[in-house]
Amino acid sequence: SQQGEEDPQALSIQEGENATMNCSYKTSINNLQWYRQNSGRGLVHLILIRSNEREKHSGRLRVTLDTSKKSSSLLITASRAADTASYFCATDGSNDYKLSFGAGTTVTVRA
Amino acid sequence: EAGVVQSPRYKIIEKKQPVAFWCNPISGHNTLYWYRQNLGQGPELLIRYENEEAVDDSQLPKDRFSAERLKGVDSTLKIQPAELGDSAVYLCASSPHSGTDTQYFGPGTRLTVL
Repeated sequence: SQQGEEDPQALSIQEGENATMNCSYKTSINNLQWYRQNSGRGLVHLILIRSNEREKHSGRLRVTLDTSKKSSSLLITASRAADTASYFCATDGSNDYKLSFGAGTTVTVRA
Repeated sequence: EAGVVQSPRYKIIEKKQPVAFWCNPISGHNTLYWYRQNLGQGPELLIRYENEEAVDDSQLPKDRFSAERLKGVDSTLKIQPAELGDSAVYLCASSPHSGTDTQYFGPGTRLTVL
């Protein structure tokens, strides 16, 4: 079973616009990670936010974490065609180092 | 630095046939993971290795799936016999140690069972 749940399932935006996707999870976590998967490829780690952090930035990415609501958001600013991909959140909720992935948000950036 | 290598990239077999996937992790990474990713879903862990020891295989369907990581480097995942429901992408990932936050994924093997 998957712990995280992304919303929306799919998102289509114009190049230059911002893209926001959300992740909700069920149990307490140590950290939450976001990964990107281009079509036919493996997953690429984007950013990690720990349970005691509320916001983190990496380039055009901004991640927030609200542990009281058990939710996280990923914002991609000034989107590019190359950002077209599926985005997954993954939670590490225990000491067994097992990542639980959500079903992902598919983002399409139109030129 | 070379990434995680997997082969084959694609495999089509008939049901009841055996199939094997191979993974070469990033050099020096002690921890290796096998995931299964069904269409439209996120990856689900099948097995995790610390060096040559399988430390978490609770999600591996042991009646038909087996895995090994001899010498603590390369790993193979086998299905025998394959069923229609095994059609999926099988992803291998590695990390320097357990508890390392980032996992590095290979491109996956797309299995189609007819």
